[in-house]
Amino acid sequence: NAGVMQNPRHLVRRRGQEARLRCSPMKGHSHVYWYRQLPEEGLKFMVYLQKENIIDESGMPKERFSAEFPKEGPSILRIQQVVRGDSAAYFCASSPRGPSITDTQYFGPGTRLTVL
Amino acid sequence: GQQLNQSPQSMFIQEGEDVSMNCTSSSIFNTWLWYKQDPGEGPVLLIALYKAGELTSNGRLTAQFGITRKDSFLNISASIPSDVGIYFCAGRPEEYGNKLVFGAGTILRVKS
Repeated sequence: NAGVMQNPRHLVRRRGQEARLRCSPMKGHSHVYWYRQLPEEGLKFMVYLQKENIIDESGMPKERFSAEFPKEGPSILRIQQVVRGDSAAYFCASSPRGPSITDTQYFGPGTRLTVL
Repeated sequence: GQQLNQSPQSMFIQEGEDVSMNCTSSSIFNTWLWYKQDPGEGPVLLIALYKAGELTSNGRLTAQFGITRKDSFLNISASIPSDVGIYFCAGRPEEYGNKLVFGAGTILRVKS
């Protein structure tokens, strides 16, 4: 009974490089969310996707960040031309249903991105 | 805005003591969730609350959804060393169904 899978768990990039973070939701879940966590802070919502659709990207920076959830394969959070301020833990969560009061999000172990 | 104020920021308690933490907001939330995060891991769901006034237990944990829908508390009874970690409250705002807003966390340290 695999939970939400994320890889890599740790990623080191130099300034200006691209970072790709992958998330495979729990089996049967078609809703994916990405959150960012800075040290000693709570998680901040970035984007909500369903298969092949971005539903809400109100928490995503306008530039350099993009997300997708293709019909086949994992969801990808892509950060282009990384800067030191992008260093954080990025968490993916999945849920089985769409927006509803009783829907619950289950989190993956996160990807810790370090930008040198 | 949709901010959650979580308190206390940290706690250092004796093993066997009861613990209480809470979250408050100026906005109304439809759902309250309590998560625990261990170092280097993702948040793990402890308790989910879906109805104002609801009181739910999970072993030694008890949480309540405030009547005003603007607050929630989590109690841990008879704390043990493995309770160490960071506890986060998270709420689903009334005006948007699926985005979770997180508190800043309560760091729990237990003296054995």
